[in-house]
Amino acid sequence: NAGVMQNPRHLVRRRGQEARLRCSPMKGHSHVYWYRQLPEEGLKFMVYLQKENIIDESGMPKERFSAEFPKEGPSILRIQQVVRGDSAAYFCASSRNPGPGLHEQFFGPGTRLTVL
Amino acid sequence: QQPVQSPQAVILREGEDAVINCSSSKALYSVHWYRQKHGEAPVFLMILLKGGEQKGHEKISASFNEKKQQSSLYLTASQLSYSGTYFCGTEGGSQGNLIFGKGTKLSVKP
Repeated sequence: NAGVMQNPRHLVRRRGQEARLRCSPMKGHSHVYWYRQLPEEGLKFMVYLQKENIIDESGMPKERFSAEFPKEGPSILRIQQVVRGDSAAYFCASSRNPGPGLHEQFFGPGTRLTVL
Repeated sequence: QQPVQSPQAVILREGEDAVINCSSSKALYSVHWYRQKHGEAPVFLMILLKGGEQKGHEKISASFNEKKQQSSLYLTASQLSYSGTYFCGTEGGSQGNLIFGKGTKLSVKP
């Protein structure tokens, strides 16, 4: 049973380019979360999605960042016109069905984005 | 609303015990604990629910004091493999997302 998959594992971009990060949840999981982690810091929530729906994007910057989770295919976190401050590890997590009796979130290996 | 973890860092000798605390200023329904090793993904340890029992597996256990809005993680007879950064996560604004503390870095020395 494959875990959460993310690709690429490492991504290097120059300032102004676009970064696309992909996340395939665990089998049977329909809820996806994206977190950002700066070196030596904790995980910061960005966005929570179900298939074809954004449930909560309160942690995502208003500009340049967008996320989607289409009916078919992986969830994608897209960063346009990247800046050096976007350099971080981006983790995706998935769960079965949150709510009362909140289910645990399983994390992918992360994508380490470096902006030159 | 970010939970506060203490201590920030702790160094242990193999076989010693440690307690990591997590407190919140808002009412909690659940607390999640994760461990992350350097350069790796966070790994789920356990979830504690309001009104639920103390959880544990092997020599790692946790408690949840709903009145004090606190959770504590107990590591007994620590092993080298326990080294890493421990994060507690509490529910965010919507059901589903987690707000994580800044982490407690645990180093176990031989």
